[in-house]
Amino acid sequence: DGGITQSPKYLFRKEGQNVTLSCEQNLNHDAMYWYRQDPGQGLRLIYYSQIVNDFQKGDIAEGYSVSREKKESFPLTVTSAQKNPTAFYLCASSIITGAIQETQYFGPGTRLLVL
Amino acid sequence: QKEVEQDPGPLSVPEGAIVSLNCTYSNSAFQYFMWYRQYSRKGPELLMYTYSSGNKEDGRFTAQVDKSSKYISLFIRDSQPSDSATYLCAMSGGSNYKLTFGKGTLLTVNP
Repeated sequence: DGGITQSPKYLFRKEGQNVTLSCEQNLNHDAMYWYRQDPGQGLRLIYYSQIVNDFQKGDIAEGYSVSREKKESFPLTVTSAQKNPTAFYLCASSIITGAIQETQYFGPGTRLLVL
Repeated sequence: QKEVEQDPGPLSVPEGAIVSLNCTYSNSAFQYFMWYRQYSRKGPELLMYTYSSGNKEDGRFTAQVDKSSKYISLFIRDSQPSDSATYLCAMSGGSNYKLTFGKGTLLTVNP
C-alpha cells in the first residue's frame, strides 16, 4: 500500500532533550512538509522540501531542524530551543508539476508531549 | 486580519441535516481551495479540491467558491454520524507549495 508513515505515534521529551520524528513516504512524491497542530488551531508550516538535499523554512521554523537525504524520508528534529513543543506533528507530501498547486497527502501524525 | 478565517464551532446537527461549513479569506492571490476532514487524533484527509468559482459536487459533498466575495463553503447533505470530525479549509496562491489553513470547524452529527 502506498502512503505516508510517521513514527512514533506518541513521543515524550524531557527538558533540554532533542527528539526526532520520522516521516517516510512511498508515493514517489517530490515535496514533503512538516506541520504543527495545536488544540483549536489550524496547521502551521514548520519546514518543507521540494527536492533532495534542499529545504525551506516555513512560518514557525525556530527550534526545529530537518534533513532530506533521501526522496522518501524527511525527519524532523525538535531541539531544546523549542520551548513549547507539545503539539500534534503532521507530515505531508505532494507531487510537483510546477503548474498548479498539487494536493498534499498527510500521514497519521505524531503526538509529542513534554515530561 | 488573518489570511483565513473559519468559525471553530462546535457545530452539532441531527442525522440527515444539511451542514454548511464556511471560510473567508483576505488574500486575493489565493486560487486553489481545499477541504480536509480530520478525525480525532488522525491526519487530515482530502475531501474536495477546486480552483474555480462555482460549485463542485462529489456524492453528498458540495464545495462552493465565490472569489469575488473571498468566501468558500462546504455543504454536506444527508449528514451521517460518521461525518463527525473537524473540517479544515486550506488554500494557496499557486504553485508555491504552501497551504494556508483555517483553524477547523468541529462537527458532531447526532444519531
